[in-house]
Amino acid sequence: DAGVIQSPRHEVTEMGQEVTLRCKPISGHNSLFWYRQTMMRGLELLIYFNNNVPIDDSGMPEDRFSAKMPNASFSTLKIQPSEPRDSAVYFCASSFTRQNTEAFFGQGTRLTVV
Amino acid sequence: AQTVTQSQPEMSVQEAETVTLSCTYDTSESDYYLFWYKQPPSRQMILVIRQEAYKQQNATENRFSVNFQKAAKSFSLKISDSQLGDAAMYFCAYRVYSGGGADGLTFGKGTHLIIQP
Repeated sequence: DAGVIQSPRHEVTEMGQEVTLRCKPISGHNSLFWYRQTMMRGLELLIYFNNNVPIDDSGMPEDRFSAKMPNASFSTLKIQPSEPRDSAVYFCASSFTRQNTEAFFGQGTRLTVV
Repeated sequence: AQTVTQSQPEMSVQEAETVTLSCTYDTSESDYYLFWYKQPPSRQMILVIRQEAYKQQNATENRFSVNFQKAAKSFSLKISDSQLGDAAMYFCAYRVYSGGGADGLTFGKGTHLIIQP
């Protein structure tokens, strides 16, 4: 398996623009997670899905952030409009929805908003 | 809310020596899972070791082992025979499994491990 695939690897955008991050989970996994990593706040869980259904989005910082999972093999995280403080590395991870399984992470997307 | 604390922002060890990274957590749950992840400069998150809270035996993976003290809510990682390739950020993480399925991981702030040749 190719693992969790995220695109793009790097994104530079101007403040106010819409940004869409993409994730393809490992085939067969039915839980998907979006994390944000910054120096100040570390790794924060933004939202997670079980069986394509959003379970907990309490970590989504503002209404500017939205996430979708239209099917079991694809998810997006959208920021509209983007702000410089959104600059971070965004990780997608997937796992099986059962006990004692670890989450497998993608390579992350480094987002820079200028 | 669950919290994970790593009190050592940075640790340094000589190659071939042993180092222990500390982690404490706070939870009211009785059944949960603990993990150590490694993040090298490539930024890929790599699972190092996993511990189920219901298991009394400490997990071991080759040169990596944990000291799990459930009552003290402590979960330290010991790396034996440190190698240059062990240099990375190490994150302690906690996960609870609810009836609805897997919950997300809660991470500590990380410990930067430096290996001195």
